Amino acid sequence: AQSVTQPDIHITVSEGASLELRCNYSYGATPYLFWYVQSPGQGLQLLLKYFSGDTLVQGIKGFEAEFKRSQSSFNLRKPSVHWSDAAEYFCAVGQHGDNQGGKLIFGQGTELSVKP
Amino acid sequence: DVKVTQSSRYLVKRTGEKVFLECVQDMDHENMFWYRQDPGLGLRLIYFSYDVKMKEKGDIPEGYSVSREKKERFSLILESASTNQTSMYLCASSHLPTASGANVLTFGAGSRLTVL
Repeated sequence: AQSVTQPDIHITVSEGASLELRCNYSYGATPYLFWYVQSPGQGLQLLLKYFSGDTLVQGIKGFEAEFKRSQSSFNLRKPSVHWSDAAEYFCAVGQHGDNQGGKLIFGQGTELSVKP
Repeated sequence: DVKVTQSSRYLVKRTGEKVFLECVQDMDHENMFWYRQDPGLGLRLIYFSYDVKMKEKGDIPEGYSVSREKKERFSLILESASTNQTSMYLCASSHLPTASGANVLTFGAGSRLTVL
């Protein structure tokens, strides 16, 4: 069965520091991978996605993620964190060949706090 | 802008009450989803629908039902609310997956339900 693991429940970084949020997935074929962000009291907003092609994908708000098949990972990175990046981040995997639902399996989430 | 609207942001209900959570999308999306979000568990899929009057169980359908009478509206029903259904409920929608892969889910702001 598919699964997504985000090993870090909570991360705190200083403003201006670099950030890496980890995501590992379990899936038998090439997955479709997503990162979403949720600000307090809000729904989820798409940061970036990987479907195929270049394994380094760029997203909104200066985020990027790299798909590493050999490590079953899709880690999210940002070179310099801003206080407004404080939020909860979710990694998700989509089912290849899912011709009907297109439903996603989500990780547990990583809460990011930013220190001034 | 794609919009997914959940009519109730906050609800407080009593054990045993019947609860309706409504979701409307305005982008002619075929797929609609109901997820439940709990701390440390991420998002878990309750039900989804890929067409009017069609529904499929997700990972945690017990205690819930859904209704999709019109393409733009997807309702989640708790026939007899229990305290363990206190949670954040997120509705999402998307087009059917394309040949190139899964489609992006667009989320509503969420409905926070408290069952006393």
